[in-house]
Amino acid sequence: DAGVIQSPRHEVTEMGQEVTLRCKPISGHNSLFWYRQTMMRGLELLIYFNNNVPIDDSGMPEDRFSAKMPNASFSTLKIQPSEPRDSAVYFCASSLGGLLTDTQYFGPGTRLTVL
Amino acid sequence: AQKITQTQPGMFVQEKEAVTLDCTYDTSDQSYGLFWYKQPSSGEMIFLIYQGSYDEQNATEGRYSLNFQKARKSANLVISASQLGDSAMYFCAMREGQAGNNRKLIWGLGTSLAVNP
Repeated sequence: DAGVIQSPRHEVTEMGQEVTLRCKPISGHNSLFWYRQTMMRGLELLIYFNNNVPIDDSGMPEDRFSAKMPNASFSTLKIQPSEPRDSAVYFCASSLGGLLTDTQYFGPGTRLTVL
Repeated sequence: AQKITQTQPGMFVQEKEAVTLDCTYDTSDQSYGLFWYKQPSSGEMIFLIYQGSYDEQNATEGRYSLNFQKARKSANLVISASQLGDSAMYFCAMREGQAGNNRKLIWGLGTSLAVNP
């Protein structure tokens, strides 16, 4: 089975540009999570969705960040306008949910560099 | 206060020896879950092992086992017979509440493990 798919794997952009990160969760999973990882702040949860509905976006840094999940198989994280401090690795993860584990499975990540 | 504490920023172990990575947690919930993930230098996050708060047996997955001490609120990862490929960052994480109701994970800062040949 295919795991979580993220695109692009690497993105280099200039300050002020719009960046869109994409994620395809594991088929059948009903929760999706966006994380950001930096050396300074570690792994931070930005937002997560259950059944395509945003549940908690308290980790979204500011209004420049937005996330959507139009259907069960696709989600986007958009940064507009981007700033150098947004440089990080962005992970998407999905989980099936249920009474036992809720194990999250991660995609390979998108390494974002904002110049 | 930190909810997940990993006190060892870095660890070294000789190949073929066992190593224990520490994780302590803080929660007032009776139902919770504890996870360990591995992040090699290539960057992906790999799920290793899970322990539920009501599980009576310590979880095991191959060379990985979880030393769960509920009264001490610790969930240490034990890697037996270390291999060079075990060199990576290891993260402990906790889900508070029953699965299905609250799916956020609280993450530790990680422990960097280096396996020496």
